[in-house]
Amino acid sequence: GNSVTQMEGPVTLSEEAFLTINCTYTATGYPSLFWYVQYPGEGLQLLLKATKADDKGSNKGFEATYRKETTSFHLEKGSVQVSDSAVYFCALTRNQAGTALIFGKGTTLSVSS
Amino acid sequence: DTEVTQTPKHLVMGMTNKKSLKCEQHMGHRAMYWYKQKAKKPPELMFVYSYEKLSINESVPSRFSPECPNSSLLNLHLHALQPEDSALYLCASSQEVARQGHQPQHFGDGTRLSIL
Repeated sequence: GNSVTQMEGPVTLSEEAFLTINCTYTATGYPSLFWYVQYPGEGLQLLLKATKADDKGSNKGFEATYRKETTSFHLEKGSVQVSDSAVYFCALTRNQAGTALIFGKGTTLSVSS
Repeated sequence: DTEVTQTPKHLVMGMTNKKSLKCEQHMGHRAMYWYKQKAKKPPELMFVYSYEKLSINESVPSRFSPECPNSSLLNLHLHALQPEDSALYLCASSQEVARQGHQPQHFGDGTRLSIL
């Protein structure tokens, strides 16, 4: 079945630093890819998504491009803020037939001022 | 504010108690999900409902019993839980399951469950 591998943190950055969180996947067919963010004490919020190869998802300064040739969906942000401190999950649909998700292990990002 | 509402936010119960977790959404979504999330781990899928019918049960123990009384509500009935069942229980919804998975899931803030 489909699977996702995500770099494990924690990632510690200073404010305004560049962020990359790596995510690679194994899948049959063409899954949809997502990044979710979880702030302390909260549920998951969709950060961005991409549904086909070469799609770029973007939101709140974060970007990720669906790369079929490298089976990757790396999350990037040019200048992080303290408020970006959270846990980030890469996810993909389990199969083509539905929307059930498989999540990566999560990456904890800590940004200091 | 989240569009998926879960109650209660916190629940402490003994191993012999019976309790229920509730989830409500008014986005017209026809797929609803229960996930279990242990500390510092990703969410793990438990159940999926599509058009009020159970479509996926990830081999969850029978002490967890889901129910979908209508398209807006999803319950999780709990009975005779074990201490290892302590976790954050997340509800999510999305547009119909039958589409090609393009539709993202919207999550509630979860119920933090502690089993004594």
